[in-house]
Amino acid sequence: DAGVIQSPRHEVTEMGQEVTLRCKPISGHNSLFWYRQTMMRGLELLIYFNNNVPIDDSGMPEDRFSAKMPNASFSTLKIQPSEPRDSAVYFCASSLRSDAYNEQFFGPGTRLTVL
Amino acid sequence: QKEVEQNSGPLSVPEGAIASLNCTYSDRVSQSFFWYRQYSGKSPELIMSIYSNGDKEDGRFTAQLNKASQYVSLLIRDSQPSDSATYLCAVRPGTYKYIFGTGTRLKVLA
Repeated sequence: DAGVIQSPRHEVTEMGQEVTLRCKPISGHNSLFWYRQTMMRGLELLIYFNNNVPIDDSGMPEDRFSAKMPNASFSTLKIQPSEPRDSAVYFCASSLRSDAYNEQFFGPGTRLTVL
Repeated sequence: QKEVEQNSGPLSVPEGAIASLNCTYSDRVSQSFFWYRQYSGKSPELIMSIYSNGDKEDGRFTAQLNKASQYVSLLIRDSQPSDSATYLCAVRPGTYKYIFGTGTRLKVLA
């Protein structure tokens, strides 16, 4: 069975451009998470969806960031306009359920570089 | 105080030795605990989960949990150079949210 799929794997863009990151969770998983990882701050939760509904977006840094989950098999994270400080690795993860005893599985990540 | 604390390392151990990785957490109501391994340039990979006090063994890996001391550890027996990676401790205080530590970098010396 395929794991979490993310695209693109690498993205290089210029400051001010719009960036869209994509994620396909594991089939049947109803919880989806977007994380950002940097050397300084480690893994930070940006937003959490349960059954396609955003439950917690308190980690979204500012209004330039937005996320959607139009159906159970697809989610996007958009940054508009992008800034150099957004450079990081962005991970999508999914879990079967949202209860405390459920394990979370990560996608391969998108390495974003904003020049 | 950080919610999940780990020594950043690097922790260097010789091949064949036991590597001991430690993690403390601040939220007493935390219910579940996870160890992830992350190779450089790769995504975190789940190694172990533990929910009850005591030890849980899986192959060369043993997770230990002490809720009274708010402490969780990972032991790697017969360490191999391929075990060299960053190990992330994750804690779930409630339901959906995972709180990750910043990770301990392990180096297994051949």
